[in-house]
Amino acid sequence: SYELTQPLSVSVALGQTARVTCGGKNIGGKNVHWYHQRAGQAPVLVIYRDNNRPSGIPERFSGSNSGNTATLTISSAQAGDEADYYCQVWDSSTWVFGGGTKVTVL
Amino acid sequence: EVQLVESGGGLVQPGGSLRLSCAASGFTFNTYRMTWVRQAPGKGLEWVANINQDGSDRDYVDSLKGRFTISRDNAKNSLYLQMNSLRAEDTAVYFCARVMRDAEFDPWGQGTLVTVSS
Repeated sequence: SYELTQPLSVSVALGQTARVTCGGKNIGGKNVHWYHQRAGQAPVLVIYRDNNRPSGIPERFSGSNSGNTATLTISSAQAGDEADYYCQVWDSSTWVFGGGTKVTVL
Repeated sequence: EVQLVESGGGLVQPGGSLRLSCAASGFTFNTYRMTWVRQAPGKGLEWVANINQDGSDRDYVDSLKGRFTISRDNAKNSLYLQMNSLRAEDTAVYFCARVMRDAEFDPWGQGTLVTVSS
């Protein structure tokens, strides 16, 4: 089965840029989606199909995907961006999530 | 406003059964695939099952095949998850979500907690 690997945690200073990676074999050939989940809340889609933002998601959120790594970039990080972030792909009629990355804004 | 509201969670003994429901509103329910995702306490997200628009095609995570059944009633704009032979490791918050064109999930419901314990 397909596997996605994320770092357990990423820290970023307020106003700086955070990058969350998602590793998978040839992930560049798949559509990668990203969600954030604040404590006690449901996940929210922040990036779909590698680098597209749903309506209502700030331009500070962007994504890229190539080779074996997809990356979510949070520019000018705000306190409200502190959350768990999950990448996701669809593979062989199943959906796979990465293990999640806790983003801490210092 | 697109909205998904889960219900049916609670405390159940090991070996018991539970049926979760997800009420959809604000969109044309019968034109979307729907899915269930769960999250054990303190853990990450795990995809559980998916159903196509008319209910004729269903997919499950391998580890749950045979115990869980996903279904839908388009006349009632509702999604269901029948869970049988429940185990302690099935304890989790269960979320329903709408599946969009590129297989992303948007939006998600608020979740319903299932606790399997004696």
